[in-house]
Amino acid sequence: KAGVTQTPRYLIKTRGQQVTLSCSPISGHRSVSWYQQTPGQGLQFLFEYFSETQRNKGNFPGRFSGRQFSNSRSEMNVSTLELGDSALYLCASSLNGGQGANEQFFGPGTRLTVL
Amino acid sequence: DAKTTQPPSMDCAEGRAANLPCNHSTISGNEYVYWYRQIHSQGPQYIIHGLKNNETNEMASLIITEDRKSSTLILPHATLRDTAVYYCIVRVALYNFNKFYFGSGTKLNVKP
Repeated sequence: KAGVTQTPRYLIKTRGQQVTLSCSPISGHRSVSWYQQTPGQGLQFLFEYFSETQRNKGNFPGRFSGRQFSNSRSEMNVSTLELGDSALYLCASSLNGGQGANEQFFGPGTRLTVL
Repeated sequence: DAKTTQPPSMDCAEGRAANLPCNHSTISGNEYVYWYRQIHSQGPQYIIHGLKNNETNEMASLIITEDRKSSTLILPHATLRDTAVYYCIVRVALYNFNKFYFGSGTKLNVKP
């Protein structure tokens, strides 16, 4: 099975712009979660989508949003970029992510640099 | 939000066992303990998970204390390629709730 894929792998934007990142989960996985990783804050949960619905959300401002399509692929969007949004954005997929033990499989991440 | 405490760094000699401790004193009955590792800013890699019993797979062993307030990840024969940041995570395993709390992790340095 192919793993979790994320595109693009690297991205450079300027302040005030917006950006869209894409994630394709492992085939058959219905839960997709997004995380932000920065040197100062570590790995922080952004949100989780399941069956095209946002099921859980972390403590991030409304500039961070996402969506999931019927094929479970997911996108996240960051509007009005700030310098502090520079980070590695990781996507993780799991089978259903609900009751019981469902490990999350992470993609390679998208490295976003905001200038 | 992190619910785990890990030492910031540890050293281990190549070929020896690496024992990475984790405290999760506020863990509740329905929370699993997961271990992941991250090599040089790649995506975290799943290692192992457990609820109550000790677990073993081809990568590692997980020892959970009887009161479940702490655990130890054991890499039986560490290699240089095991140098990474290791995260101990508790996961609330409730229906409709899937969230990992990542702490700061332990930087494991495997030395020749």
